[in-house]
Parts: sequence; C-alpha cells; structure tokens
Amino acid sequence: SQKIEQNSEALNIQEGKTATLTCNYTNYSPAYLQWYRQDPGRGPVFLLLIRENEKEKRKERLKVTFDTTLKQSLFHITASQPADSATYLCAPSYGNNRLAFGKGNQVVVIP
Amino acid sequence: EAGVAQSPRYKIIEKRQSVAFWCNPISGHATLYWYQQILGQGPKLLIQFQNNGVVDDSQLPKDRFSAERLKGVDSTLKIQPAKLEDSAVYLCASSIGTSGGPVSYEQYFGPGTRLTVT
Repeated sequence: SQKIEQNSEALNIQEGKTATLTCNYTNYSPAYLQWYRQDPGRGPVFLLLIRENEKEKRKERLKVTFDTTLKQSLFHITASQPADSATYLCAPSYGNNRLAFGKGNQVVVIP
Repeated sequence: EAGVAQSPRYKIIEKRQSVAFWCNPISGHATLYWYQQILGQGPKLLIQFQNNGVVDDSQLPKDRFSAERLKGVDSTLKIQPAKLEDSAVYLCASSIGTSGGPVSYEQYFGPGTRLTVT
C-alpha cells in the first residue's frame, strides 16, 4: 500500500525566510501530487498540483518540485508570513484519481 | 460559488449508538469523497462516489459504516454501531471529476464533522 512520509516535527521559521517541507512516498508512482493547507478546525484547502512530467510548479510565493526518481516532493514558501502558519498536507494520487494524504507538517512563522 | 456544506459540525454519542452525517457538494461536481481524519493524522479515504455510483469503498468498515449518494448530489455517511475508535473528524470533499485531466480532481473540502464517541 502507499506510504507517505512528512516530517512530524513542526517547522519554526522566522518571518521573511523560506520554509521548505519534504514529502517522500514509497511503493508506487503517482501520476500527480497535490499539496493542501489545513488550519485548525477546518477542512484542507487545495494549494498546488504538479504532474509527474513536471519538475517544478509555482503559485505566488509557493513552489513545488516533484522528483519521480527520488520519489520526493519539496514544498517551499518564500518570504514567509505569520499568516502562512498552518499544517501542510502532501497528497500523491493513486488509482482512480484518489489521493493518499500524509500526516502533514506544521509550519509556525515567527514575527 | 458556495462551498461544500456539512452537518452537523459536532456530534457526541455513546458507543453502540448510531450517527449520520450529511454532505452537500459544490454544484456540478461529479465526484464526492468521504474521509476520516483522526487527530494528528492526514485524511484517510473511506469512500469515493462518481455521480451516484461507488468508485472505491475498500477502506470503508462495511460492518458498521454505510454511505449513499442518491441522485448523484448530496450524500450521507452512517455509523451503526459506533465504537470509541470512530472518534475523528469526518470530512466530505468534492471535485469536478470529469475527463479534464488532473485539474478536474482538485478536491474541495467541507468544514468537517467532529465526532466524539464516549
């Protein structure tokens, strides 16, 4: 079965710096991978989708990379702001356009 | 555009009781998902519908969980009887789910129902 690994420790980062999160997956090859943001007491919110044939995707201050050889995706938040504090979920696709979610990685941006 | 609606937002029941959750997806979204999210974990897919047909229910504990999506619009998820380990947030999500490629499968989540089984 799919195994998704995200760092369980919270990432504390100074405002203005770049936050980098890692997502590793094993046992399969997803056609695409999505990243979501989740705030306490709320449902996840879609951020970015990157396909297996894309190396990098950007959206405003967000950047995602996808290395199918390493079976890894990196998620970057540049010029981080306190409002970026949240949990970020990695979700590679499998089967019939289903998603396997990681546990998520909490980011805390310190003013 | 209205988002995914879920009710109730919170529910507390005793073990062995039954409970039902309701979800209304975004209008026009063909695919509907129910997830279970235990505290500190990522969402786990329970069941996926395409219109009113089940695509995948391999992780649904069918001895106690059931779900339906009549008329291919809103959906209900039921637990009967509930166990202590069912305490979790139950999330409903929807996506366009047509043949428009991966973009069609961006998922839009509701606020979830927090279930506590005592």
